[in-house]
Amino acid sequence: GIQVEQSPPDLILQEGANSTLRCNFSDSVNNLQWFHQNPWGQLINLFYIPSGTKQNGRLSATTVATERYSLLYISSSQTTDSGVYFCAVEDVYTGFQKLVFGTGTRLLVSP
Amino acid sequence: DVKVTQSSRYLVKRTGEKVFLECVQDMDHENMFWYRQDPGLGLRLIYFSYDVKMKEKGDIPEGYSVSREKKERFSLILESASTNQTSMYLCASRLRTEAFFGQGTRLTVV
Repeated sequence: GIQVEQSPPDLILQEGANSTLRCNFSDSVNNLQWFHQNPWGQLINLFYIPSGTKQNGRLSATTVATERYSLLYISSSQTTDSGVYFCAVEDVYTGFQKLVFGTGTRLLVSP
Repeated sequence: DVKVTQSSRYLVKRTGEKVFLECVQDMDHENMFWYRQDPGLGLRLIYFSYDVKMKEKGDIPEGYSVSREKKERFSLILESASTNQTSMYLCASRLRTEAFFGQGTRLTVV
């Protein structure tokens, strides 16, 4: 099945710093989403981005489907950005819209 | 806004008990999913359903079953709970594009 790798696994930032999180996937995808898991465990939708670039406030994401990667940019980070960021993809060869998750990037933003 | 609601945030059960985890979505989504999340193993798909009474095994279905009698509700059943089923359980629903997750259920089996 499709493999999803995220980097870096851990990231520590000072408040106000910028960061880039990367998601590589091993095959063609129909769907790609970025999630933020908050300290209580809930997965919050950030972006649905199978291709192209989107922006939402301090966050933006770019997916280059032909090169099989996606990037999540966080600018002017805040302590509330702490948590785990997941990339999830649905490959074109499986049915039923299953999402396969990467192992996540754990972000800690310190004041 | 899409809402996916899991019946319990925290649950403690005894070994051998039959456990029901309930998930309800309010957006008429056809596809619903159950994942479990464990440290170092990430999120793994247990079961999913693409329609009422339809189900498919995911990557780790052993020890679990599911029920989908109504479109909005997808239940995960632990037939005889064991300590290795202590985990975070996450339900999701999806139509064609975005998937939306519930708040999660932290299950401890003692």
